[in-house]
Amino acid sequence: RKEVEQDPGPFNVPEGATVAFNCTYSNSASQSFFWYRQDCRKEPKLLMSVYSSGNEDGRFTAQLNRASQYISLLIRDSKLSDSATYLCVVTAVVEGNNRLAFGKGNQVVVIP
Amino acid sequence: DVKVTQSSRYLVKRTGEKVFLECVQDMDHENMFWYRQDPGLGLRLIYFSYDVKMKEKGDIPEGYSVSREKKERFSLILESASTNQTSMYLCASSFGPQETQYFGPGTRLLVL
Repeated sequence: RKEVEQDPGPFNVPEGATVAFNCTYSNSASQSFFWYRQDCRKEPKLLMSVYSSGNEDGRFTAQLNRASQYISLLIRDSKLSDSATYLCVVTAVVEGNNRLAFGKGNQVVVIP
Repeated sequence: DVKVTQSSRYLVKRTGEKVFLECVQDMDHENMFWYRQDPGLGLRLIYFSYDVKMKEKGDIPEGYSVSREKKERFSLILESASTNQTSMYLCASSFGPQETQYFGPGTRLLVL
């Protein structure tokens, strides 16, 4: 089973609509969770960390469900500038080393 | 702001050439990482380093080596470039192995 799994999409979203997607992770001992945003042909950048109690940053809301081992990202009132790939990132232990595991991303396309 | 720089944005090399990709970070981060990113495969970890002169293999180290002689600099070396190493190479750094990673702008390498 892969460490982090995401539905690649694309998620075609009308401007102004709400879009949500999940990411599942395999390691029940994972402690840190993040969402990164990657624009086309650019590097990934941190969008937000995901806390156990959930957190909100403007139009973006992230939730963590430890029991079912998934995190979610919700984008309200989508803007054209939200078009990007959203990478789910989870801590993992690989061969005794602690590090981050990146999902392949959810591609979001906001349509005028 | 954290700044991670990479020596080249675009690079074209011939099969068999030795290739050096340099990465420098200015935030005194202990940890540095090299990834490659290919369509449909996501980010794949090549090598990482937790300290000066220390290196660990990632998921796909074959055909690559690294050097970390100074804390702020992490170099990726392709001893004999091959066409299947054509890719986007991303360097990242972080304070801890499970903390937020900050990425450089990436190097698009084409091996002919």
